[in-house]
Amino acid sequence: ILNVEQSPQSLHVQEGDSTNFTCSFPSSNFYALHWYRWETAKSPEALFVMTLNGDEKKKGRISATLNTKEGYSYLYIKGSQPEDSATYLCAFTMDSSYKLIFGSGTRLLVRP
Amino acid sequence: DTGVSQNPRHKITKRGQNVTFRCDPISEHNRLYWYRQTLGQGPEFLTYFQNEAQLEKSRLLSDRFSAERPKGSFSTLEIQRTEQGDSAMYLCASSFSAIEQYFGPGTRLTVT
Repeated sequence: ILNVEQSPQSLHVQEGDSTNFTCSFPSSNFYALHWYRWETAKSPEALFVMTLNGDEKKKGRISATLNTKEGYSYLYIKGSQPEDSATYLCAFTMDSSYKLIFGSGTRLLVRP
Repeated sequence: DTGVSQNPRHKITKRGQNVTFRCDPISEHNRLYWYRQTLGQGPEFLTYFQNEAQLEKSRLLSDRFSAERPKGSFSTLEIQRTEQGDSAMYLCASSFSAIEQYFGPGTRLTVT
């Protein structure tokens, strides 16, 4: 059974705080690791796709790292803003079908 | 808007009724995926198409579920004899044979 685990399940932070989430995935048959942001009533939005061990990606205040040998990825948000409030989903791809195997997400609430 | 669209956005039906959802992918995307998300869980893969061919179906997709993609453009997902356990968010995503998938806003199904 392929399992993608995310922690924490939910997080409440104050505006301006920095935060990070963890995603762990099977380290065998690795193809790619994805991070999505999903706001209520909107489409899940792709943040990052990472394929190589040691990959680091950055988009504005958000960055992510990847360790394929030990099977984990971190997502960091620097200086959280209320508009960062969303569910952050991690997903793992293991073959050329590119089908996504998701974790259950981390729900982030940023208080003004 | 050239993103992935899904209709309807919400559907309430009585147990035992049939329902059909539609997904319109991004133009020229040859791959189309269906996922289902239940409360507190991440999305789970249901099936995917490459052009008009259905290449993989999850064991989650019981005999009551059928998906089609005639002419390799839009796709429909039909659920026959709905059960309360079918209540979920049904998500569609498309890609051009690439790792990154673009999601629609989903159809929320409530079976009463």
